[in-house]
Amino acid sequence: EVQLVESGGGLVQPGRSLRLSCAASGFTFDDYAMHWVRQAPGKGLEWVSGINWNSISTGYADSVKGRFTISRDNAKNSLYLEMNSLRAEDTALYYCVKGLGLQYLYYYMDVWGKGTTVTVSS
Amino acid sequence: EIVLTQSPGTLSLSPGERATLACRASQSVSSYHLAWYQQERGQAPRLLIYGASARATGIPDRFTGSGSGTDFTLTISRLEPEDFAVYYCQQYGSSPLSFGGGTRVEIK
Repeated sequence: EVQLVESGGGLVQPGRSLRLSCAASGFTFDDYAMHWVRQAPGKGLEWVSGINWNSISTGYADSVKGRFTISRDNAKNSLYLEMNSLRAEDTALYYCVKGLGLQYLYYYMDVWGKGTTVTVSS
Repeated sequence: EIVLTQSPGTLSLSPGERATLACRASQSVSSYHLAWYQQERGQAPRLLIYGASARATGIPDRFTGSGSGTDFTLTISRLEPEDFAVYYCQQYGSSPLSFGGGTRVEIK
């Protein structure tokens, strides 16, 4: 069974950093691109970032570019999101999502984790 | 950046009725790189449709996706109780990827 389990969320003060992790199982991790998608309380979905199978190509939403960094460790079947200079508007449930192909572009997302909650507040 | 606008924001219908959800893109979505997701309350989204019209594995045939270019539609032919949820369109052909704001289908 394909599983994505996020961790690392929590309460953090504005301006501080947080690192999210996603443990993948049930599929050949390095055959697929991966994404982070977030959902603020009571709001819609927002794509945050995507990464190709080999980490060569990454993409970011304008709202997080320069502050967030996506990475992966194929040997550990893990995806990460390093979040710096956090703002109140980054408060959301962060989903780890599997892409269908090698690239984060041109392939839809087919499996979602349950998410980890990030709250940015003083 | 491609902006996706979904309409209506909320659709109030009865079980058995037909639902028609629209998704309009600010510029052409390349090669049908358009997906639809369903999100039930408190759950992660679930893929329904990809490539504008292909049903994902296990999705019943009452769900139909159509459209091209800038105008796309998700049709639910006869609403079942489990279909009352929020639906999002998403384009994955241009970076940054983007989602529409969602359409809530609620019981009338």
